[in-house]
Amino acid sequence: GAVVSQHPSWVICKSGTSVKIECRSLDFQATTMFWYRQFPKQSLMLMATSNEGSKATYEQGVEKDKFLINHASLTLSTLTVTSAHPEDSSFYICSAEQGWGNQPQHFGDGTRLSIL
Amino acid sequence: KQEVTQIPAALSVPEGENLVLNCSFTDSAIYNLQWFRQDPGKGLTSLLLIQSSQREQTSGRLNASLDKSSGRSTLYIAASQPGDSATYLCAVKGTRDSNYQLIWGAGTKLIIKP
Repeated sequence: GAVVSQHPSWVICKSGTSVKIECRSLDFQATTMFWYRQFPKQSLMLMATSNEGSKATYEQGVEKDKFLINHASLTLSTLTVTSAHPEDSSFYICSAEQGWGNQPQHFGDGTRLSIL
Repeated sequence: KQEVTQIPAALSVPEGENLVLNCSFTDSAIYNLQWFRQDPGKGLTSLLLIQSSQREQTSGRLNASLDKSSGRSTLYIAASQPGDSATYLCAVKGTRDSNYQLIWGAGTKLIIKP
């Protein structure tokens, strides 16, 4: 149980394109979803936290107009990288949590985004 | 502010050895601590979750301990195999953060030599 599906797993696109990444909890309802970015050989960096039906909370330094997050239902959150540029190339990972506090986070397999 | 440190940053051992990875955290007000595994270019695999009230958790050849008062956790891997080669990350969830976000260590890169 507790499977999180992230799609697509790999995206290559031209500079200026907007890219949408989906994160779905397949067998549980996710109270909270998290979006991370990971640079090569570094640990995960939290970008934003989203709760169903409310606006996402962005970490300091993360441009909310660049990285649009929508958490429309208890099983789906999307991250849209708007007008992507080569510096946005990275590995993006989502996670989902059921309930509050002492629950574990369950992670998707990540999306490798390459902007040419 | 919670800080998580993992030592060593990298470790290379021969196959078959038992080994210990360390994780320390500065604020003992935590809900839980998780150990993850990440293969190159891949997502995260959750290995073990220890709640703040627990002392240890076991799964197969893996055993994780938690000493909340001293801010330490260890991941013990018995009879290591080449397939255990990966980066191991620990993360704590603090009770002081209303967003329930995880605070991450930088990871230990483990190489098991055949």
